[in-house]
Amino acid sequence: SSELTQDPAVSVALGQSVTITCQGDSLRRYSASWYQQKPGQAPELVMYGKNTRPSGIPDRFSGSTSGNTVSLTISGAQADDEADYFCNSRDSSGDHVVFGGGTKLTVL
Amino acid sequence: QLQLQESGPGLVKPSETLSLTCTVSGVSIRNNNYYWGWIRQPPGKGLEWIGHLYYPGSTYYSPSLRSRVTISIDTSKNQFSLKLISVTAADTAVYYCARLWLAAGSDAFDFWGQGTKVAVS
Repeated sequence: SSELTQDPAVSVALGQSVTITCQGDSLRRYSASWYQQKPGQAPELVMYGKNTRPSGIPDRFSGSTSGNTVSLTISGAQADDEADYFCNSRDSSGDHVVFGGGTKLTVL
Repeated sequence: QLQLQESGPGLVKPSETLSLTCTVSGVSIRNNNYYWGWIRQPPGKGLEWIGHLYYPGSTYYSPSLRSRVTISIDTSKNQFSLKLISVTAADTAVYYCARLWLAAGSDAFDFWGQGTKVAVS
């Protein structure tokens, strides 16, 4: 089992906002990154650090941190946002990279 | 433009060695700003970090795979490689190579290869 926990599935109505969370004790010490993966494609980095978007990622994506939880919020979800979302950070030792189990986002 | 491309056999027999290569174009693999890593994804499952390396040769491996995995670098070809010994069906997955950037306090895999499917059978 992963040291980072994500809800397996989340749904959102088109145009509404949705928050995807990632929990783990190591997140109190280490920042996380977020990836979007569409079927048959490689993951794409959409957020890193506390709230930094790579070039080309829409500003409807934002990140936040509180205690042992990091969150990815999509404000005004689009059909194109339907995908799997994974977080990653360090494990509790700080020596190894870990991924969360992933959240399947459905846009209704 | 940075590109990463995995290559290697798509089928490996149980107990044998899985060998994959990632060819990097657009940036030198000796660039000290980045690490170079491998991640895999079993069918229908999530992402699993295998390990990464930092030129000229520091390596970091997943504890669950450490006894079976080696990641190495070939600067003359701007490539890095993965070897996984004694494979079983549980090693069947899509294998990705990716660039790892320690950005803003987080581990960010910012560029990925397209992935290569490896079946153990």
